[in-house]
Amino acid sequence: SAVISQKPSRDICQRGTSLTIQCQVDSQVTMMFWYRQQPGQSLTLIATANQGSEATYESGFVIDKFPISRPNLTFSTLTVSNMSPEDSSIYLCSVLGGSDTQYFGPGTRLTVL
Amino acid sequence: EDQVTQSPEALRLQEGESSSLNCSYTVSGLRGLFWYRQDPGKGPEFLFTLYSAGEEKEKERLKATLTKKESFLHITAPKPEDSATYLCAVQALRGAQKLVFGQGTRLTINP
Repeated sequence: SAVISQKPSRDICQRGTSLTIQCQVDSQVTMMFWYRQQPGQSLTLIATANQGSEATYESGFVIDKFPISRPNLTFSTLTVSNMSPEDSSIYLCSVLGGSDTQYFGPGTRLTVL
Repeated sequence: EDQVTQSPEALRLQEGESSSLNCSYTVSGLRGLFWYRQDPGKGPEFLFTLYSAGEEKEKERLKATLTKKESFLHITAPKPEDSATYLCAVQALRGAQKLVFGQGTRLTINP
């Protein structure tokens, strides 16, 4: 399975600011995904990011709030814009491996004050 | 809409006490059902994929089974290091490999 890293691992931000989260994979992958895990909740898909095309967002998530970049086959970023305390969550990237299996990064724990 | 419900929400066992976790699902055409383990402060770790009813997978003290409506994760003679949250997710035939997760079962194994 791929080795996935995320930066930062955690951050505390002020409301109204933006944070960009990076996801780096040690091998080329076609599909990358961004999930949110709110406190005490399970994972919810934000968007799917394919290299060379616009990200596909799930219902309830919009590009203006969560812009995503996918400049190459090993890297993606998720920006959380104009943050509010409700955005406090763990943000996880995943990649699609063999047999339709997704492998997850360690997550970014975001606290918005 | 695809849906996954896991039970119980939390389970506390003594070391060596076997039990099962349940994952009930509704999906319009199942591509695969996935089990993950998540430790506090970490991302989910892949355990198993099941594709069709009747299929079983095993790994150490864990065995996953699948029917047309639910999956079970059986834990045999658990050890304290098996303590974690176990997540179940489904992937539908339609759509781009999206995973729909259940709420998870928080398992604690007491020594």
